[in-house]
Amino acid sequence: DTAVSQTPKYLVTQMGNDKSIKCEQNLGHDTMYWYKQDSKKFLKIMFSYNNKELIINETVPNRFSPKSPDKAHLNLHINSLELGDSAVYFCATSYDQAFGYTFGSGTRLTVV
Amino acid sequence: EDQVTQSPEALRLQEGESSSLNCSYTVSGLRGLFWYRQDPGKGPEFLFTLYSAGEEKEKERLKATLTKKESFLHITAPKPEDSATYLCALQSGGYQKVTFGIGTKLQVIP
Repeated sequence: DTAVSQTPKYLVTQMGNDKSIKCEQNLGHDTMYWYKQDSKKFLKIMFSYNNKELIINETVPNRFSPKSPDKAHLNLHINSLELGDSAVYFCATSYDQAFGYTFGSGTRLTVV
Repeated sequence: EDQVTQSPEALRLQEGESSSLNCSYTVSGLRGLFWYRQDPGKGPEFLFTLYSAGEEKEKERLKATLTKKESFLHITAPKPEDSATYLCALQSGGYQKVTFGIGTKLQVIP
């Protein structure tokens, strides 16, 4: 039973399309995150939700909109996709910083 | 702004050849420094949290240490299965924003 699961694992789409990535966790953690890992493998935070409330929004274009329908889910919707959005997107959760983050396996988004 | 710099970018070791990875940082008010391991095609896997200078944590062949300016991940007698990218990250200030370094790609050759 995967602790943090993301779907889809791979996503290839054309410029200008709208797409969503879904994240579900069964750990009961209060805080969920979206991270972007670019081609240089640099991980950068995009959003953080705590109990369905947005607490971190890091200078991300407003084409990106996170949605947390409940504590176990955090989805990422991207409008008008651009070539520069190609990256691996990771969902993560945390309970206590002593135990760090639990990451999903990532969604590789390729915009063509 | 918080900064995390890891070195070297890549490291190739023979099996059994011990070494250290470096993570130097600048931060205003460190709340925690983290080490993660990332295998290709997977998400990072949490290894350690360090909170204050002088602290050390160990797990199997890995030992993490912390000073006021840097952290080291010591790998003793590494095995091929230790091959991965090791990421350093830090948390400062209020909410749970964590800044990651770019990682050190470790390859252990049999």
